[in-house]
Amino acid sequence: EAQVTQNPRYLITVTGKKLTVTCSQNMNHEYMSWYRQDPGLGLRQIYYSMNVEVTDKGDVPEGYKVSRKEKRNFPLILESPSPNQTSLYFCASSSGIGILRTEAFFGQGTRLTVV
Amino acid sequence: QKEVEQNSGPLSVPEGAIASLNCTYSDRGSQSFFWYRQYSGKSPELIMSIYSNGDKEDGRFTAQLNKASQYVSLLIRDSQPSDSATYLCAVKGAYGGSQGNLIFGKGTKLSVKP
Repeated sequence: EAQVTQNPRYLITVTGKKLTVTCSQNMNHEYMSWYRQDPGLGLRQIYYSMNVEVTDKGDVPEGYKVSRKEKRNFPLILESPSPNQTSLYFCASSSGIGILRTEAFFGQGTRLTVV
Repeated sequence: QKEVEQNSGPLSVPEGAIASLNCTYSDRGSQSFFWYRQYSGKSPELIMSIYSNGDKEDGRFTAQLNKASQYVSLLIRDSQPSDSATYLCAVKGAYGGSQGNLIFGKGTKLSVKP
């Protein structure tokens, strides 16, 4: 079954304690991305990756890091989380190429609370 | 700053009626347009994509695109209570890199009353 798997689903942490949210896809997609979703602000892209070892900033990258060492995995790293990073996070994997590429596969979401 | 605008709603329609969801976008170079459905607490689910001016139908859903007016809409015929969700409009530019990334609207909440 084609899927994007995120872990953990829920996480409560304290300010400053480094954390990683994992994302894995089994569809051999080249393009992967991370979004955060906040009430009244919608979905905003944090980082994206067009292939292994190729990553770039989205609209709200501050406070986040990513890596893409393997095609299937795209972890999101918060080196020093702060309360304003409390949000619902989604990893997405894209099918198609060029103009037809679209984020058709989203992970289940990770609800992060930073206290 | 590329923007995608949607009415936040809630849009309330009776069961069996047509629900009309609208979206405008600011980037004239946009080439790809998508509608996602998101149930509360769940991940977005792609339901329609449209690339050319005109209408595209898929079951009870019809997407309409007017690039001259920078307007895209989603019609849901014979609305059902199970259609109650937030509908996200997303737009993508023609180019690679960051210009090829999706820009999402904030979503319209639809409520279908039995």
